[in-house]
Amino acid sequence: GQSLEQPSEVTAVEGAIVQINCTYQTSGFYGLSWYQQHDGGAPTFLSYNALDGLEETGRFSSFLSRSDSYGYLLLQELQMKDSASYFCAVRDRTGANNLFFGTGTRLTVIP
Amino acid sequence: GAVVSQHPSWVICKSGTSVKIECRSLDFQATTMFWYRQFPKQSLMLMATSNEGSKATYEQGVEKDKFLINHASLTLSTLTVTSAHPEDSSFYICSAARQASGANVLTFGAGSRLTVL
Repeated sequence: GQSLEQPSEVTAVEGAIVQINCTYQTSGFYGLSWYQQHDGGAPTFLSYNALDGLEETGRFSSFLSRSDSYGYLLLQELQMKDSASYFCAVRDRTGANNLFFGTGTRLTVIP
Repeated sequence: GAVVSQHPSWVICKSGTSVKIECRSLDFQATTMFWYRQFPKQSLMLMATSNEGSKATYEQGVEKDKFLINHASLTLSTLTVTSAHPEDSSFYICSAARQASGANVLTFGAGSRLTVL
């Protein structure tokens, strides 16, 4: 089975930096992805890590440590529009495209 | 590119009736699509993998006779909730995979909010 744990809620100030952690337990591991979902909307892809280290995409960066079964999403220069839910997700089988999602973190950006 | 269209966006039905939700890949072919269910303020739970031209693969605990999936073409998958009950009220989201920067990225439809009275 799969288990992905995230903090349920995070609040941060506009312009600040926030880190959202994800710890996982899976029978297999083929990469960690991050998705953003605004209320009532569709999840959208943010970032992906297959190997250890940091991946940077604009204001968003994602980190992975496979030995620790841990990753995080880093959001810099927070904007009000970044208020949303953020999910980590893993692919646990090679050759498969289905993802299993974490518990989700609700980020609230305040002025 | 990589747009997934889902219809209807919301539906209200009476208990005991069936509801069909369509998921279309508009600008690419998807041999595989995925159906997720999401309860309010909760995570996305994978229900099943829809395979073009063959039977869907259901996750453990998902009733295949209740959630009928048909993937008749490379651009269309449908989910039918049969004999719906209030506990089936949820947000149903479909997705299809595409390759981007070495990752298997899921492109999601806008979701269908089902309310069963």
